[in-house]
Amino acid sequence: DAMVIQNPRYQVTQFGKPVTLSCSQTLNHNVMYWYQQKSSQAPKLLFHYYDKDFNNEADTPDNFQSRRPNTSFCFLDIRSPGLGDAAMYLCATSTGYNEQFFGPGTRLTVL
Amino acid sequence: AQSVTQLGSHVSVSEGALVLLRCNYSSSVPPYLFWYVQYPNQGLQLLLKYTTGATLVKGINGFEAEFKKSETSFHLTKPSAHMSDAAEYFCAVSTFDSARQLTFGSGTQLTVLP
Repeated sequence: DAMVIQNPRYQVTQFGKPVTLSCSQTLNHNVMYWYQQKSSQAPKLLFHYYDKDFNNEADTPDNFQSRRPNTSFCFLDIRSPGLGDAAMYLCATSTGYNEQFFGPGTRLTVL
Repeated sequence: AQSVTQLGSHVSVSEGALVLLRCNYSSSVPPYLFWYVQYPNQGLQLLLKYTTGATLVKGINGFEAEFKKSETSFHLTKPSAHMSDAAEYFCAVSTFDSARQLTFGSGTQLTVLP
């Protein structure tokens, strides 16, 4: 089945230690998104790629970066995680029209 | 710009009872509307969507929603709740000229009582 895959599902890091979350897709969609979701809140868009075109949300902290080396993969880098960055991180894809397809998420814990 | 309001952050129903989750939207152009469900520690799964055409849309797991332009609403219903329906539900909107981006409501936590 075509899908969106996120690894790892659970990630523990230390305060200030860089961490990378990964997302891959077999849907061949040209748009990929990264969301941050905190407990009992809606997902908050961090940035998205339309093909190789990177689109950053205005309020996304500089601490968050992303890479998309090819159509299938997208990475979220958190350069210096703080306690406030503990959250669920969701990757999603779309064709650019209609619905987004979400991965299972990576739950990040910052110690 | 568009926005979504979900009335009721928590809704409780008895097993077998009607489920009604409310969603109102604001958009200056014709909207695309979506309902997503999220189970604990999972991603979001699309339940149903409205883009054009028939205003009553049927989705997975027995859910349906009706687009009412005059009321700017897209409420989600299910005739008979099942224990497995307990989850967080998000209504979302996009438009043709902002189709790459979804605007989410704040979510409704559905509890199903035995």
